[in-house]
Amino acid sequence: ETGVTQSPTHLIKTRGQQVTLRCSSQSGHNTVSWYQQALGQGPQFIFQYYREEENGRGNFPPRFSGLQFPNYSSELNVNALELDDSALYLCASSGGAGTNTGELFFGEGSRLTVL
Amino acid sequence: AQSVTQPDIHITVSEGASLELRCNYSYGATPYLFWYVQSPGQGLQLLLKYFSGDTLVQGIKGFEAEFKRSQSSFNLRKPSVHWSDAAEYFCAVPNFGNEKLTFGTGTRLTIIP
Repeated sequence: ETGVTQSPTHLIKTRGQQVTLRCSSQSGHNTVSWYQQALGQGPQFIFQYYREEENGRGNFPPRFSGLQFPNYSSELNVNALELDDSALYLCASSGGAGTNTGELFFGEGSRLTVL
Repeated sequence: AQSVTQPDIHITVSEGASLELRCNYSYGATPYLFWYVQSPGQGLQLLLKYFSGDTLVQGIKGFEAEFKRSQSSFNLRKPSVHWSDAAEYFCAVPNFGNEKLTFGTGTRLTIIP
């Protein structure tokens, strides 16, 4: 177990709705990254938060947004859901800038289905 | 941007047999490279990583990987697989920082008795 917890584990939404996914990082980690993993694919980097600021973003539209809180937990928000947003959303925590280990600690993910 | 390719979508190996999973990278300079494993219903776990130095890297669970610049490869190996090794394996390379990873499409490993 990594100590990274995500909620909810599964959820179903309809097109056009909005969703919020939550992540609690491993104790002592100040960086949270979010990844989208479509069925049969590798995870794709959405964005990273370091000390409550966005610290890099992948090729995802602005309707994907996030927050990081002072306790380093994080939220991923997706507006105007589309069918292609159906995927496993993975949160990963790490030690952050300066540690440079490259090791990410992943949660088990939130499975989003958009109908 | 750096990228990795995993040519094998699915591999089946008998328990006790040796294993090699392929990963090819595209980058001019020496890249950092990672192998992660995703077991059913679980998040990804780091198996091993290559930053520099010795080209043969030892990881957890008896896995190793060898960086070969001449072949642009970073193949994952294990001399004798166990049924518990059945999982999805991902090769990854960082873009824009060591903790922002680009993953390959993965190789699903099935173990048969």
